[in-house]
Amino acid sequence: QQKVQQSPESLIVPEGGMASLNCTSSDRNVDYFWWYRQHSGKSPKMLMSIFSNGEKEEGRFTVHLNKASLHTSLHIRDSQPSDSALYLCAASPPNYNVLYFGSGTKLTVEP
Amino acid sequence: AQTIHQWPVAEIKAVGSPLSLGCTIKGKSSPNLYWYWQATGGTLQQLFYSITVGQVESVVQLNLSASRPKDDQFILSTEKLLLSHSGFYLCAWPDKNTEVFFGKGTRLTVV
Repeated sequence: QQKVQQSPESLIVPEGGMASLNCTSSDRNVDYFWWYRQHSGKSPKMLMSIFSNGEKEEGRFTVHLNKASLHTSLHIRDSQPSDSALYLCAASPPNYNVLYFGSGTKLTVEP
Repeated sequence: AQTIHQWPVAEIKAVGSPLSLGCTIKGKSSPNLYWYWQATGGTLQQLFYSITVGQVESVVQLNLSASRPKDDQFILSTEKLLLSHSGFYLCAWPDKNTEVFFGKGTRLTVV
């Protein structure tokens, strides 16, 4: 059973629009959450991390975390075609030895 | 700055042949190291983690093995490849509580 579930599987937004991606963990032991972006054929690169309840904003990217429901979301405003990629949510328990990834949301930003 | 070097960049191997993939990290003393595997279109799965030289823990069983012969080196291997081993192999190290950094990966095709 996959420990991290992401939705939607794919998302198409117009250039300048808002993209909203969701992620939930079914493992009550996880404590840390990350969002990674992976372009085709490349390795993942971290976008944002969030470890506490609440919201965190960095430029056009905002993440939310609700630890009670183990749900995190990533919102990208003013989406650009260069944002088109696979977005991966990851979670780990406090010992940080294992990082569980979701299957990703494929984002396409149409000009 | 820390750098991760993976080799080879890509491999095409026959079913039943042996495999050895390597990862070296520079600029970090006694790092934790991880191996990940991503089937084409599939989820990124952690295979192994290592906290110290000579110590490797398995996370997912895929008929692969890993070794940590030196502080800065992590090796992934098998004596007999299966078609299902095809995919993208990534070495990574965690900067505790910030992010997991990935190498550029090895693309393996088993024919």
